[in-house]
Amino acid sequence: GAVVSQHPSRVICKSGTSVKIECRSLDFQATTMFWYRQFPKQSLMLMATSNEGSKATYEQGVEKDKFLINHASLTLSTLTVTSAHPEDSSFYICSGGASEYEQYFGPGTRLTVT
Amino acid sequence: DQQVKQNSPSLSVQEGRISILNCDYTNSMFDYFLWYKKYPAEGPTFLISISSIKDKNEDGRFTVFLNKSAKHLSLHIVPSQPGDSAVYFCAAAGGTSYGKLTFGQGTILTVHP
Repeated sequence: GAVVSQHPSRVICKSGTSVKIECRSLDFQATTMFWYRQFPKQSLMLMATSNEGSKATYEQGVEKDKFLINHASLTLSTLTVTSAHPEDSSFYICSGGASEYEQYFGPGTRLTVT
Repeated sequence: DQQVKQNSPSLSVQEGRISILNCDYTNSMFDYFLWYKKYPAEGPTFLISISSIKDKNEDGRFTVFLNKSAKHLSLHIVPSQPGDSAVYFCAAAGGTSYGKLTFGQGTILTVHP
């Protein structure tokens, strides 16, 4: 299957700082990528749809000013958690696909805000 | 509003026996269903999928059954192996939402040797 990478795999930051997470499709081009977060023992919750060359579409309840998404190229989407707080600590996963419904997931990024 | 539900948080099975993981959905717009396997601190990996025009899809030890009238799908793993121990998520997609998946809560499968 296709490969999606994420960087960093783990990050610890202090409360009030911003953290950028990168999601790259390594062997396909993705005009659309998705960002999910997972709380312990819970399902993956879709946060937003990242659209190459245009604004991201956020799910209800997700603050677009807090979770900034940039999809500047067909192989890279970034999620920036701004002014992070401990409640933002979570596992963030991106996905992308070369065709409809064919979604490949990155390995995830564990964010811990102290 | 949980549109995709996996009502069993965990399942324990003996090696060699069948594992049956269940999933229910409420949104009639869903027309494509997927199962993913996930280990802790890793992203989900795709296992098998089924379109709503079919009621069964088989791939090796994995078979997915879809009952559209009941809005229910299940994943059968036969024979179960210890390496199958992981969290299994069912996911659904449909309508005009390209690639947008709605996940169930997951079921922790433990296969005992």
